[in-house]
Amino acid sequence: AQSVTQLDSQVPVFEEAPVELRCNYSSSVSVYLFWYVQYPNQGLQLLLKYLSGSTLVKGINGFEAEFNKSQTSFHLRKPSVHISDTAEYFCAVSDYGGSQGNLIFGKGTKLSVKP
Amino acid sequence: DTEVTQTPKHLVMGMTNKKSLKCEQHMGHRAMYWYKQKAKKPPELMFVYSYEKLSINESVPSRFSPECPNSSLLNLHLHALQPEDSALYLCASSPGQGSFGQPQHFGDGTRLSIL
Repeated sequence: AQSVTQLDSQVPVFEEAPVELRCNYSSSVSVYLFWYVQYPNQGLQLLLKYLSGSTLVKGINGFEAEFNKSQTSFHLRKPSVHISDTAEYFCAVSDYGGSQGNLIFGKGTKLSVKP
Repeated sequence: DTEVTQTPKHLVMGMTNKKSLKCEQHMGHRAMYWYKQKAKKPPELMFVYSYEKLSINESVPSRFSPECPNSSLLNLHLHALQPEDSALYLCASSPGQGSFGQPQHFGDGTRLSIL
């Protein structure tokens, strides 16, 4: 079975500062990894995904994430955040077939960007 | 703009009412999902349809009844709901269930309030 741990429930940061949202996963099989963002009163939007290949993945809105197999981590980073990045961020995993490919979500990290 | 359209955006109903939530996608996806999301929590999977057949029912109470009339439409029929069923209901679709890491695309959800 897979599980996802998002280490910080809330991350406050000032505008134009860098940010890292941490995600660790547990799985006995190979997985696909995703970061989704949820703005207030909206659904989830895919930020980026890791399937295979290069461990550094670039996504939308200037976000990137690095897959680290040895540390079973997939941390999300942005070098300079904007007020508009304030949202809930979910890390998710999907295995190659054991759970029929369904998404397992972390509990989420609330990113609050302050002026 | 989201490629998965959910209607209505908001719904208030009494415990004895019958109502339906609707979801539509025109991306040619063959897997569709219903999730329930409570405030400050990740989405919880309720149902999965694969090629218009119910694939997964995550032990959801029978007062929730899903229906997939065709490959583009997904309904969730509601009857005799309880106050604890108040939540954001999200629909998602993907090319296929567990199809090699293809991400799920989410709608903006229906905010349901049970009086």
